[in-house]
Amino acid sequence: SYELTQPPSVSVSPGQTASITCSGDKLGDKYASWYQQKPGQSPVLVIYQDNKRPSGIPERFSGSNSGNTATLTISGTQAMDEADYYCQAWDSNTAVFGGGTKLTVL
Amino acid sequence: EVQLVESGGGLVQPGESLRLSCAASGFTFSSYEMNWVRQAPGKGLEWVSYIGSSVNTIYYADSVKGRFTISRDNTKNSLSLQMNSLRVEDTAIYYCARVLRVGASLGFDYWGQGTLVTVSA
Repeated sequence: SYELTQPPSVSVSPGQTASITCSGDKLGDKYASWYQQKPGQSPVLVIYQDNKRPSGIPERFSGSNSGNTATLTISGTQAMDEADYYCQAWDSNTAVFGGGTKLTVL
Repeated sequence: EVQLVESGGGLVQPGESLRLSCAASGFTFSSYEMNWVRQAPGKGLEWVSYIGSSVNTIYYADSVKGRFTISRDNTKNSLSLQMNSLRVEDTAIYYCARVLRVGASLGFDYWGQGTLVTVSA
């Protein structure tokens, strides 16, 4: 079965750029989405179709996808961005999520 | 305003059944593909099932295939998940999620608040 691999944790200082990677076999041939989940809340879509932002998502969130790796980049990271982030793609009529990355802003 | 409200969760014993519902409002439900996604306590997201907008296409995760049944009633703006032969490992918060489709790209753009299913003896 298809797997997506994310680093368990990423740390960033306020105002700096955070990058969260998501690796999967030929992931660049698929479309990647990214979700933000804060404690006790439902996930929120922050990136779809590799690099599109839904309405209401700040411009500091961006995405890319090429080769075997999709990347979520948060520029000018703010304290409010501290959360778990999940990548997701579809493979053989199955939605697959990465294991999640805890972003710490310190 | 798009709203998805899940209900039906609870505490059941292994082997028992439970039916979850998701009430949709604020959008044309019949035009959207829908999914169930779950999250075990302290764990990551796990996709459970997908249903097309007109019930013509259904997919399941291997972990629930043969035990869970997804359905929808477009006249009632409702999504359901019938869960049979429940196992301890099915314990999770179950979310219904709407699909945002852009060509071949499918993301989940709206999520409900979730309903907790606990399977324990």
